Amino acid sequence: SQKIEQNSEALNIQEGKTATLTCNYTNYSPAYLQWYRQDPGRGPVFLLLIRENEKEKRKERLKVTFDTTLKQSLFHITASQPADSATYLCVLSSGGYQKVTFGTGTKLQVIP
Amino acid sequence: DGGITQSPKYLFRKEGQNVTLSCEQNLNHDAMYWYRQDPGQGLRLIYYSQIVNDFQKGDIAEGYSVSREKKESFPLTVTSAQKNPTAFYLCASSWEGQETQYFGPGTRLLVL
Repeated sequence: SQKIEQNSEALNIQEGKTATLTCNYTNYSPAYLQWYRQDPGRGPVFLLLIRENEKEKRKERLKVTFDTTLKQSLFHITASQPADSATYLCVLSSGGYQKVTFGTGTKLQVIP
Repeated sequence: DGGITQSPKYLFRKEGQNVTLSCEQNLNHDAMYWYRQDPGQGLRLIYYSQIVNDFQKGDIAEGYSVSREKKESFPLTVTSAQKNPTAFYLCASSWEGQETQYFGPGTRLLVL
């Protein structure tokens, strides 16, 4: 069955450093990979989408890579700030409404 | 002010009782979704709807029912047949054919 693995343990990082979150997947060939941010008790918020034929995508301090050979995506937040503290979800899809798979998320804590 | 709203924020259910969670969007999105989020698990799809008066079961539809009488509204009923309803419920919407979903703030359902 399709499986997404995100670091289940929280990631603690010093303010100003680059945070790197990992998303690995198995038994899947997604056409799209997305990253969402979720704060406690709130709904996820879309951050970035990358397609299978794209290697890298950037948006302000965010960068995502997508390696379909390694079946892995890396999500980077540069110059991290305490306000970046949240849980980040990796989401895979193949197009079509039903084929969307959510990871369990990695909790990021940026320490001042 | 465009967005997707859910109510109530907290809902308490007694044994044997049906309860209905509200979801409304004014984004003119075609598709709407209901997810359930449990600690340590990724979001799981309950039901989705692509157009008015049509909806499809997701991965965990048992014990739930939905309706889509209006484009803007997609209420979810948690029936007494759902034996473990305590969870955080998230509604989302998207444009047809688009992978990105927009989430509401969520409803936390607790059993008395």
